[in-house]
Amino acid sequence: GENVEQHPSTLSVQEGDSAVIKCTYSDSASNYFPWYKQELGKRPQLIIDIRSNVGEKKDQRIAVTLNKTAKHFSLHITETQPEDSAVYFCAASSTSGGSYIPTFGRGTSLIVHP
Amino acid sequence: DTAVSQTPKYLVTQMGNDKSIKCEQNLGHDTMYWYKQDSKKFLKIMFSYNNKELIINETVPNRFSPKSPDKAHLNLHINSLELGDSAVYFCASSPGLVNEQYFGPGTRLTVT
Repeated sequence: GENVEQHPSTLSVQEGDSAVIKCTYSDSASNYFPWYKQELGKRPQLIIDIRSNVGEKKDQRIAVTLNKTAKHFSLHITETQPEDSAVYFCAASSTSGGSYIPTFGRGTSLIVHP
Repeated sequence: DTAVSQTPKYLVTQMGNDKSIKCEQNLGHDTMYWYKQDSKKFLKIMFSYNNKELIINETVPNRFSPKSPDKAHLNLHINSLELGDSAVYFCASSPGLVNEQYFGPGTRLTVT
């Protein structure tokens, strides 16, 4: 089955700095890679996703990059703000071949210091 | 309007009891899920239900059983509750397989 590794488990940055969270996956059939943000005591919510037919996607201060050859994808947050503090989860699943059941990384706790 | 709702929000019960958590989505989605989030925040998928096809995570004990009376509802029934079942349980739905998931607010289950 799919295995998703996520690093780091904790990331502490100063406001205005950039933050990068990395995930690797094992199943070459995986082709959908979402990122979820979970604030304390709340539900996970999608912030950005990417499918394997593109290498990069941006949405304002957030971007995701995908390297299919190396089987890794990353979340980039620029100009971090205190409200970006949360746990971020990556996930991987497949529309064909591999498992369509999403496999989640173990999460990264991002702390943005004012 | 609440897209994905769960009841109850909190559930405190004793070991050995049987309990149910209800989930409803009004998004017209075809696929629904149940997740368990433990104290370390790890999100573990328990079940996926799509067009009457149930996919079970093989690591889930058979004390847990999903029940879907219709496409908009996927309830979770738990028999013989154990201390290790204490966690937050999230329901989610998506417009078909391999798409964005919309999570419910979660149910915090505490087994004493």
